[in-house]
Amino acid sequence: AQSVSQHNHHVILSEAASLELGCNYSYGGTVNLFWYVQYPGQHLQLLLKYFSGDPLVKGIKGFEAEFIKSKFSFNLRKPSVQWSDTAEYFCAVKDYGQNFVFGPGTRLSVLP
Amino acid sequence: EPEVTQTPSHQVTQMGQEVILRCVPISNHLYFYWYRQILGQKVEFLVSFYNNEISEKSEIFDDQFSVERPDGSNFTLKIRSTKLEDSAMYFCASSVGGLGNQYFGPGTRLLVL
Repeated sequence: AQSVSQHNHHVILSEAASLELGCNYSYGGTVNLFWYVQYPGQHLQLLLKYFSGDPLVKGIKGFEAEFIKSKFSFNLRKPSVQWSDTAEYFCAVKDYGQNFVFGPGTRLSVLP
Repeated sequence: EPEVTQTPSHQVTQMGQEVILRCVPISNHLYFYWYRQILGQKVEFLVSFYNNEISEKSEIFDDQFSVERPDGSNFTLKIRSTKLEDSAMYFCASSVGGLGNQYFGPGTRLLVL
C-alpha cells in the first residue's frame, strides 16, 4: 500500500529564511502529488499539485515543489518565508484507483 | 469561488449516541469523500462515494459508519454508536473526477464524552 513520509515533524524558521519540506512516497507507478496547508483554526487548502509535465510546479503564495521520480520525492520550497506561513503542511499522494494518502504533516513555525 | 461546506462546525455527544455529520459538496462535483484527523495525528481516509454508492472504504470505516446522499445536495456521514476514539475532526471533500483535486470542507470537530 502507498505510504507517504514527511521528513520533519516541526520546523522553526525566522522570517526571510528559505524553506524546504521533504516528502517521499512509496509506490513507484503513476501518481498525482499534492501539497495542502492548514492554517491555525482553518481547513485544508490546496497549495499546489503535480499531475504530469514540468516536474517543477508553482503554487499559491510563492510556494513551489519539485517532483523527482527517481527519488520518489515531492519536496516543497519557498525562497523566503513570512510569519503568515505558520501552518501545518501535508503532502498527499494519489495513485490510480486509490484515494488520497496523506503524510503525517510538518508543522512550520515562522518567528517574526 | 464555490466551497464545500460542513455542519455543524462542532458537535459534542455522549458515548453510544448516534451522530450525523453533514456536508454540501461543490455542485458540479461527482465524487465525495470523508476523512478524519484525530488530534495530533495525520489525516486518514474513511470512504469515497460515487454514483450513489461507496466506491472505496478504509479499515476505519466499519459497520458503525455509513454514508448517504439523501437529496442530491447533502452528503452525510453517520456514526451509529459513537466511541471515545471517534473524537476527531471530520473533513468532507469533493472532486469533479475520481483522479482530480479534492476540495476540502472546513471540518466538523466531534467530541465524544
